[in-house]
Amino acid sequence: EPEVTQTPSHQVTQMGQEVILRCVPISNHLYFYWYRQILGQKVEFLVSFYNNEISEKSEIFDDQFSVERPDGSNFTLKIRSTKLEDSAMYFCASSEARPGPPGGAEKLFFGSGTQLSVL
Amino acid sequence: AQSVTQLGSHVSVSEGALVLLRCNYSSSVPPYLFWYVQYPNQGLQLLLKYTTGATLVKGINGFEAEFKKSETSFHLTKPSAHMSDAAEYFCAVITNQAGTALIFGKGTTLSVSS
Repeated sequence: EPEVTQTPSHQVTQMGQEVILRCVPISNHLYFYWYRQILGQKVEFLVSFYNNEISEKSEIFDDQFSVERPDGSNFTLKIRSTKLEDSAMYFCASSEARPGPPGGAEKLFFGSGTQLSVL
Repeated sequence: AQSVTQLGSHVSVSEGALVLLRCNYSSSVPPYLFWYVQYPNQGLQLLLKYTTGATLVKGINGFEAEFKKSETSFHLTKPSAHMSDAAEYFCAVITNQAGTALIFGKGTTLSVSS
């Protein structure tokens, strides 16, 4: 089965530093997502991206966050100035179509995640 | 607003026993419901989904779930647990028209003993 690839698997950074998390979605997919999971908490939606623009974003996705699809294959999440509370597992996902109604319910393919530790 | 509650952060069963993982949702409109599974060091994988129609849905690896609107539940079951079923299971919901954001529960870790 095709896979979503995330690099690196672990990232350690100092508070206040910029960090870029990288993802290679499945090649024919059109929707791209970032989710995160803080240890012991829910998997939380951050942002979705379609047709080269943000489709939807959560309250978590503030001005410190940005996403980009720079070259048609990579999908990146940038955190401009990391905070301690940004420490989490970040999951990238992609899908052929959107998951919501009507008529969607498309399967998301998730990467294995990047564990971000902010010190 | 949508939300998902998974009762029990940890469920332990013996091999061959029934698996029951509970999920309740909150939604003012008909939801789409999903169960995802995460094995160690892997990404989340879709087990099954409910959109409309038949309320009992079958997924991969022998799992099934039943949508009960009156109980706002979507519990996941498997008649006979295997050791390979040990993983973390996530229930998710989406209701927004043309929406893209899945709302996940906290997850339930399933342990299977021999």
